[in-house]
Amino acid sequence: ETGVTQTPRHLVMGMTNKKSLKCEQHLGHNAMYWYKQSAKKPLELMFVYSLEERVENNSVPSRFSPECPNSSHLFLHLHTLQPEDSALYLCASSQTDGSGANVLTFGAGSRLTVL
Amino acid sequence: GQNIDQPTEMTATEGAIVQINCTYQTSGFNGLFWYQQHAGEAPTFLSYNVLDGLEEKGRFSSFLSRSKGYSYLLLKELQMKDSASYLCAGTDSNYQLIWGAGTKLIIKP
Repeated sequence: ETGVTQTPRHLVMGMTNKKSLKCEQHLGHNAMYWYKQSAKKPLELMFVYSLEERVENNSVPSRFSPECPNSSHLFLHLHTLQPEDSALYLCASSQTDGSGANVLTFGAGSRLTVL
Repeated sequence: GQNIDQPTEMTATEGAIVQINCTYQTSGFNGLFWYQQHAGEAPTFLSYNVLDGLEEKGRFSSFLSRSKGYSYLLLKELQMKDSASYLCAGTDSNYQLIWGAGTKLIIKP
């Protein structure tokens, strides 16, 4: 256990479905992240919530929608996904003061398969 | 452009030593991370190098050369449990992480 918990661990959905991924951190961190991990590709940062600001990667399609109701919880809402969205979605958290590099603590990921 | 290169896969023998290389090109550079990720598990932090040189943590050591844009992770006395993917990530001038695609390390008895 890393202190970052993701549910569900596995999800299979059709292209017309709507589902959500959930992440919860018990570390008291003030920043949370969504990453996409595809086989043999670098981690792709999708969204960051840090110091109450949201930063997003402009290349992420609008069919992915994040929500961060408080500093401990993070959601990724999914709708009308495509088969190429099948990947491992990793949540991470860190403690940041807005400067310097931050060590990320990751969850074990949600494995998403889009049929 | 910004880029991190590391080998896709390496194989080593239990009890031996292996060196996983990582080269980087970033717009500005502040430091380099190594993470370990076992299959189906979360990536976990191994090291963060800012200064040139070798930093040792038990069986694992990490090296950085800022002038050469190069780092390596050295694993000694390999154990079967070291079979995992090793992720290299550089931080640019804004401390944004630039990730490599990871090196899958296979340990054979």
